[in-house]
Amino acid sequence: EVQLVESGGGLVKPGGSLRLSCAASGFTFSSYSMNWVRQAPGKGLEWVSSISSSSSYIYYADSVKGRFTISRDNAKNSLYLQMNSLRAEDTAVYYCAREVRGSGSYQSYYFDYWGQGTLVTVSS
Amino acid sequence: EIVLTQSPATLSLSPGERATLSCRASQSVSSYLAWYQQKPGQAPRLLIYDASNRATGIPARFSGSGSGTDFTLTISSLEPEDFAVYYCQQRSNWPRYTFGQGTKLEIK
Repeated sequence: EVQLVESGGGLVKPGGSLRLSCAASGFTFSSYSMNWVRQAPGKGLEWVSSISSSSSYIYYADSVKGRFTISRDNAKNSLYLQMNSLRAEDTAVYYCAREVRGSGSYQSYYFDYWGQGTLVTVSS
Repeated sequence: EIVLTQSPATLSLSPGERATLSCRASQSVSSYLAWYQQKPGQAPRLLIYDASNRATGIPARFSGSGSGTDFTLTISSLEPEDFAVYYCQQRSNWPRYTFGQGTKLEIK
């Protein structure tokens, strides 16, 4: 059974840092690209960052570029998100999500498994 | 940047009725669109990918259609567990993913 379990969320002051983790099990972690997606309270979904299976390709949303760093450790089946210079607008539930390809097109990518999320609150 | 606009924002229906949810893209995404269901306090669940393919384990009452800029998620006969928020998603402005703002399907 595929499982993704996030941890590391909490309350942090503006300008502070936090590191999120996502522990994966039930599949060959090193074969999949992984992503972070967030959801502000009462709001919709926002993609944050993506990392390829071997960490060769990394992408960020403009809203977090330069402040957040995604990484992974395939030996530990773990995904990470280092968040620096946090702002109030970063307050959200952060989900890790496994990326899968639909058809052969470069546009055909989706999230087939999600963790339960970890809440990050940025407030003084 | 491709923007996805979902309508209506809220849909009020009764169990057993047919639900039709819309997602419109600001430019063509071909057939590369997905639908997710999210219940309160839960993570999203993939329902449909590539516009019309049901994900593993998704009941046949869920179907997707459309291409280009206009897409539809249809739930043929609503079950009580189907009342949730639904999101569409695309990655045609690769490598970024974008989601629609969601449609809340509520019990009438």
